[in-house]
Amino acid sequence: QVTLKESGPVLVKPTETLTLTCTVSGFSLSNARMGVSWIRQPPGKALEWLAHIFSNDEKSYSTSLKSRLTISKDTSKSQVVLTMTNMDPVDTATYYCARKRASGWYFDPWGQGTLVTVSS
Amino acid sequence: QSVLTQPPSVSGAPGQRVTISCTGSSSNIGAGYDVHWYQQLPGTAPKLLIYGNSNRPSGVPDRFSGSKSGTSASLAITGLQAEDEADYYCQSYDSSLSVFGGGTKLTVL
Repeated sequence: QVTLKESGPVLVKPTETLTLTCTVSGFSLSNARMGVSWIRQPPGKALEWLAHIFSNDEKSYSTSLKSRLTISKDTSKSQVVLTMTNMDPVDTATYYCARKRASGWYFDPWGQGTLVTVSS
Repeated sequence: QSVLTQPPSVSGAPGQRVTISCTGSSSNIGAGYDVHWYQQLPGTAPKLLIYGNSNRPSGVPDRFSGSKSGTSASLAITGLQAEDEADYYCQSYDSSLSVFGGGTKLTVL
């Protein structure tokens, strides 16, 4: 059974750096053509794709947030880490990690999500 | 402002058929990239509903179907049920990035 689970702080202060970890099971981060994306959803708003890391360590980032994001993985620990610098209250959202399927650019399954609030 | 445009809301009575549109452009859907659909029930994570324009993952009822034409795609739900009340999102690919629609809230009357 494939599962993903996000972990990280529930509250961060403005200007701080957010670090989130996605721990996966049931598949290997070294599987070709797969990979893991981070996607967020502000309360009551739409999904927004943030970043992706492939099995070969190739990375892609949202154009609007590229300067603030870093995605990395530790295959031995089955973990994908996302860091976002200079957090702002508008970054308050539920952050999801999700597996990209080998057959196309779609995500299945998703983690349960973790709500991060940015407030002083 | 989402790259893919969806109607904010649709509604239908139980048993009826509803459709949700997803309009893109020549750089995403119109470029030949596939469209995928997700269902998000209240308080839960999104779940894959349709992939590759019209394919249903195992376990998704055949009441759900997808299609794509030109720069747009559609999700159709027939035999509407109360449990279908949820938010629905389309997703595609654009300039080496994944993009989502703004989401559509389906209300079952």
